[in-house]
Amino acid sequence: EAGVVQSPRYKIIEKKQPVAFWCNPISGHNTLYWYRQNLGQGPELLIRYENEEAVDDSQLPKDRFSAERLKGVDSTLKIQPAELGDSAVYLCASSLEAGDYGYTFGSGTRLTVV
Amino acid sequence: AQTVTQSQPEMSVQEAETVTLSCTYDTSESDYYLFWYKQPPSRQMILVIRQEAYKQQNATENRFSVNFQKAAKSFSLKISDSQLGDAAMYFCAYRSNYGGATNKLIFGTGTLLAVQP
Repeated sequence: EAGVVQSPRYKIIEKKQPVAFWCNPISGHNTLYWYRQNLGQGPELLIRYENEEAVDDSQLPKDRFSAERLKGVDSTLKIQPAELGDSAVYLCASSLEAGDYGYTFGSGTRLTVV
Repeated sequence: AQTVTQSQPEMSVQEAETVTLSCTYDTSESDYYLFWYKQPPSRQMILVIRQEAYKQQNATENRFSVNFQKAAKSFSLKISDSQLGDAAMYFCAYRSNYGGATNKLIFGTGTLLAVQP
C-alpha cells in the first residue's frame, strides 16, 4: 500500500503567485482532509471531504483558497494569490468513514512564499 | 470548543530510559477519542497510540502506553526503553465522536523529544 501521496514536497513562490498541491489518499478511504501546519504549531483543519463532497470548509479562507476532489479520489488544494502568511506545511490525510482509528497522513508540502 | 494543551515544548531522555509527555484537554463532551502522533523530520504524522474515552483501561502499544485520566482531562504518553528512533515531535490530538462537523482532529502544539545516546 502506497500510503497517502502528496506532491510537490517543497514549493517556493513569490507572493501574489498561484500555487497548487495534490493529494492521492489511500485506496478505499472515503474521507480526505487538508490540514495546515504553521511553524512550531500543530496542524489545523482547512477542509474535509466525504467522497466528493466538502462537508466542513469552515476554516478555509475562501477568498484565496479553493479545493476540489473530483470523483471522490484525489484532491487538489489551490491558493491564489499567495501571501507571505501562507508559508506553512500543507498536510493531506485520509481515513475510513469517521476515522475512529485515526487518520493516515502524507508527508506534506512545505510552502515558502517570498 | 475543544482545546488541547501540551505544556512541554521540549523534553530530553537518555537512550533506554523512560520519558512521559504530558497532554491536557478541555471538552464538555463525554464521547471522544484521544491520539498521540509522532512527526519525525520527514513531516509525516505517524499514529502512535489511540484511546477511546469510554474505555477505562489505558491503551498500550509495545513500548508506548498512556495514562488516561478522564475526570482530570489528562492524557499522558509514556515511552519506555527509549530508542534513538523515538526522537521526533509528538502531538496529542482530540476527536469528538459526535459525527458531522466534529469529525476532525484537534492538535496540541507539540513536544519535541530528544533522545541522548
